[in-house]
Amino acid sequence: GNSVTQMEGPVTLSEEAFLTINCTYTATGYPSLFWYVQYPGEGLQLLLKATKADDKGSNKGFEATYRKETTSFHLEKGSVQVSDSAVYFCALSHSGAGSYQLTFGKGTKLSVIP
Amino acid sequence: GAVVSQHPSWVICKSGTSVKIECRSLDFQATTMFWYRQFPKQSLMLMATSNEGSKATYEQGVEKDKFLINHASLTLSTLTVTSAHPEDSSFYICSARERMTLRGQETQYFGPGTRLLVL
Repeated sequence: GNSVTQMEGPVTLSEEAFLTINCTYTATGYPSLFWYVQYPGEGLQLLLKATKADDKGSNKGFEATYRKETTSFHLEKGSVQVSDSAVYFCALSHSGAGSYQLTFGKGTKLSVIP
Repeated sequence: GAVVSQHPSWVICKSGTSVKIECRSLDFQATTMFWYRQFPKQSLMLMATSNEGSKATYEQGVEKDKFLINHASLTLSTLTVTSAHPEDSSFYICSARERMTLRGQETQYFGPGTRLLVL
């Protein structure tokens, strides 16, 4: 079946450090890939997405490239800020029950310290 | 961007009572809404998929009679936790899929979640 594996946290970084959160997936067909972010006490927000191989999603300084050959969608940011502290979820979409469903990774908690 | 609201954001209730949670798409029509449950420090677990005008499809292990889902319009879905018990305490999140899709791929927009505490 479909699954998403992302690196376990928590991840603690100093402000302006480089961030990588690894995400790999298993899926049939050609899923779309997403990164969602959940700030403390809030719901999930779409951070970025990619719909086909070699696509790069980007938003707010975050980037992730859809790598079909390695079945990966690693999230990167060159210089993190305290405001980036949140839980990050990698996800893929697939067709199920007549509609598209999301399968999530377990989430990676990021803490950025000044 | 697309906005999804949930009401209430917080609810505390006594064991044995029923609780209704509303999920609304505010600026788009949602043919499909999803209900998730999130335990502390864990990922979202899909409970059910709800298509407007039809019965919800529940994931394995989710009790249909316990978690009643109604999707009466293109902008509103409700989840009713019937005869709630302390083990039902959780963070419930809904999401909505826009009616229009791009290249058949989907983006879901999430509500802010409803925290349920059953005493």
